[in-house]
Amino acid sequence: DTAVSQTPKYLVTQMGNDKSIKCEQNLGHDTMYWYKQDSKKFLKIMFSYNNKELIINETVPNRFSPKSPDKAHLNLHINSLELGDSAVYFCASSQERGGGALTDTQYFGPGTRLTVL
Amino acid sequence: AQKVTQAQTEISVVEKEDVTLDCVYETRDTTYYLFWYKQPPSGELVFLIRRNSFDEQNEISGRYSWNFQKSTSSFNFTITASQVVDSAVYFCALSVRNSGYALNFGKGTSLLVTP
Repeated sequence: DTAVSQTPKYLVTQMGNDKSIKCEQNLGHDTMYWYKQDSKKFLKIMFSYNNKELIINETVPNRFSPKSPDKAHLNLHINSLELGDSAVYFCASSQERGGGALTDTQYFGPGTRLTVL
Repeated sequence: AQKVTQAQTEISVVEKEDVTLDCVYETRDTTYYLFWYKQPPSGELVFLIRRNSFDEQNEISGRYSWNFQKSTSSFNFTITASQVVDSAVYFCALSVRNSGYALNFGKGTSLLVTP
């Protein structure tokens, strides 16, 4: 009964490759997020989607492209991987209420540890 | 802009001691949300508590308690009678509507509880 799932859990790849991380939530939430946790454990928002629409796009390189085929999925595709992309990537979801005036708790997936060699 | 400060980088206590993790936040929004998450050594992010800006009531959940004070922009977290299983990194976070409710995290406090 996993609420927010991510695949794969570990991803080791060579510089220059293209890779994708998948995220699915079965909580019925309408908003999904991608966060990046660097080697110092600092967590930073990358993207946010609400009802399949991009809401937040922080200063993330164009090599990163999120795709939301439906409300329950938010995938992250990364082109031309670089050493600095090595990090743990977390997907999260939440539900907005009151026409977006309120929000509920964000629940996180288990994370995907990406290592670029 | 929003900011969350967790001034304590690392704390080490002996089992059964009480420990308080500090969190100070900054925002100009009048409606905001505060969170605490726990990240154990296994790496997942575990939700602990959420507080709305319009609800200053403190909360107790077992050995955990939270003190929300708008006057000092603080949302501190106390663990009573700490246990080894409490060893983890604890993150305080803030979200507001203007930022699409994205979580703005503090840098985290690493808590080590030794037997």
